Amino acid sequence: DAKTTQPPSMDCAEGRAANLPCNHSTISGNEYVYWYRQIHSQGPQYIIHGLKNNETNEMASLIITEDRKSSTLILPHATLRDTAVYYCIVRVAEDSSYKLIFGSGTRLLVRP
Amino acid sequence: DTEVTQTPKHLVMGMTNKKSLKCEQHMGHRAMYWYKQKAKKPPELMFVYSYEKLSINESVPSRFSPECPNSSLLNLHLHALQPEDSALYLCASSQAATGAIANYGYTFGSGTRLTVV
Repeated sequence: DAKTTQPPSMDCAEGRAANLPCNHSTISGNEYVYWYRQIHSQGPQYIIHGLKNNETNEMASLIITEDRKSSTLILPHATLRDTAVYYCIVRVAEDSSYKLIFGSGTRLLVRP
Repeated sequence: DTEVTQTPKHLVMGMTNKKSLKCEQHMGHRAMYWYKQKAKKPPELMFVYSYEKLSINESVPSRFSPECPNSSLLNLHLHALQPEDSALYLCASSQAATGAIANYGYTFGSGTRLTVV
């Protein structure tokens, strides 16, 4: 089962920051948090991932709380093309392999 | 090449047919994955391959048979499927399925949309 909880939907205005929350209260010390998005049933697109430090790349920033029980994905200047389903994923280990188990995701609507 | 390529993009098959889905990557990744996604649902993991060996089978019915002939190629053989197996089938790859070198992004293909009639 997925170890994450996200709001089912959110919206924001174009040009504003979109802050997408994620709870993962049962995360273990060595489990990474990954964020993906999916547009119109295309393949999921990698956004960012992190373990405990905040991370930033050209797409987004990831803020992980000190206790690692929650995180926030920040899209600094949302555009209409950012409308998508955003998945917060805790990567878990099973036997000798890691696996990404998707939760329900947040449907983000960026309004003009 | 930073892509995962899946073929065909669309497939319609009868319940008595045998067909195969193909997934290819040339990024040197040594872990590959199959996911199934029903409409308006998140992707569900089916299989994990690590160094061409099956490492995780998420209790998938035997009518789905994965195969990894080499490090760049992953197949999913389909036989005697049911209409409820109609879905988007996604392939993904990563540098590895375990160890520190696994701590990078996973790349997904665009999927094969399968319809079973």
